[in-house]
Amino acid sequence: DAGVIQSPRHEVTEMGQEVTLRCKPISGHDYLFWYRQTMMRGLELLIYFNNNVPIDDSGMPEDRFSAKMPNASFSTLKIQPSEPRDSAVYFCASSGIVGLAGGNTGELFFGEGSRLTVL
Amino acid sequence: DAKTTQPNSMESNEEEPVHLPCNHSTISGTDYIHWYRQLPSQGPEYVIHGLTSNVNNRMASLAIAEDRKSSTLILHRATLRDAAVYYCILEPMDSNYQLIWGAGTKLIIKP
Repeated sequence: DAGVIQSPRHEVTEMGQEVTLRCKPISGHDYLFWYRQTMMRGLELLIYFNNNVPIDDSGMPEDRFSAKMPNASFSTLKIQPSEPRDSAVYFCASSGIVGLAGGNTGELFFGEGSRLTVL
Repeated sequence: DAKTTQPNSMESNEEEPVHLPCNHSTISGTDYIHWYRQLPSQGPEYVIHGLTSNVNNRMASLAIAEDRKSSTLILHRATLRDAAVYYCILEPMDSNYQLIWGAGTKLIIKP
């Protein structure tokens, strides 16, 4: 298996532009997570999906951020309009072993990340 | 929320065991303990996780204190490829799969 695939690996854009990040999870995994990593705040969970349905988007910073999962093999994270403070590395992760009865995320498989720079 | 405390950095010699400590004094009885590592310019990689008992896998061992207020990740024989930032993470059982990531320990391996 190729693992979790993210694109683009690097994106440089200007403030106000729309940014779309893409993710292909590992086949058969039914959980997909979007994370953001910055030096100041570390790794933060933005949103996660179960069977293509968004379950918890409480980490999405504001309405400029949106995420979709139209099918089991594809998800997007969109920022519109982008701002300099959105500059970060965005990671997608998938999991097929998520625990029973409300605990144990199990093993998350992360992609290599998309490094976003907003000028 | 329960938090973890780790040393900012540690050094170890190649081919020697490494013990990475983590304090989580406010852990609750149902919080899972996860360890991930992140190599430069890569996404985090799962290492091991546990709840109460010590755990072993092909990558490492996890030793959990009896009172669960601390844990130690043990790399039995470090190689240069083990140089990474190691994160000790708690997952509260009622957290809806939220992992509480700390700042991590940067492990430097000396040849």
